Amino acid sequence: ETGVTQTPRHLVMGMTNKKSLKCEQHLGHNAMYWYKQSAKKPLELMFVYNFKEQTENNSVPSRFSPECPNSSHLFLHLHTLQPEDSALYLCASSQGSSGDTQYFGPGTRLTVL
Amino acid sequence: DQQVKQNSPSLSVQEGRISILNCDYTNSMFDYFLWYKKYPAEGPTFLISISSIKDKNEDGRFTVFLNKSAKHLSLHIVPSQPGDSAVYFCAASRPNTGNQFYFGTGTSLTVIP
Repeated sequence: ETGVTQTPRHLVMGMTNKKSLKCEQHLGHNAMYWYKQSAKKPLELMFVYNFKEQTENNSVPSRFSPECPNSSHLFLHLHTLQPEDSALYLCASSQGSSGDTQYFGPGTRLTVL
Repeated sequence: DQQVKQNSPSLSVQEGRISILNCDYTNSMFDYFLWYKKYPAEGPTFLISISSIKDKNEDGRFTVFLNKSAKHLSLHIVPSQPGDSAVYFCAASRPNTGNQFYFGTGTSLTVIP
């Protein structure tokens, strides 16, 4: 596998479910990101991790909980989501944390019923 | 408040002609700009970037122009090819923000054979 991979590619969940999104990067990068893309809205940065440490949390509700066990893996744990959380969730990575180009995974299309 | 704007949601161009995609920004502190290209069911892929110390950057058929006084950048694709049909996102960042990029809403380009 090369680049940035995300699983699952599609997820449908009820509001009371707990699920997790997984991201893995095979680029040797040190920074990883979660973005949300809703219809007709720009990509919104959710979380940034540098060397496994969270450095940004853009006022994301606590029903989204990130986890970064190492520089290659990033998870987004989902709990009691709302229908308005339905969106495309994109993971990205970059070499460092300052001005470096970000490389994106294919995204997980999440639908909350 | 959206700091990066792509006011044209879609653009159609004949094959072989020039495609011009536009992007405006509001924050004069932005010093690094990128264009990403996104095909359906894939994540955005990096296309070309420009630093605020330049006003033009060229890579093959792709050229990005930056007009700092107007807070405007544009992506020129010449000649346009059917494989260029995709959604193009403009993104901007400012110094010392932990690699936070601000994205536009995207412009869907269709190149007609």
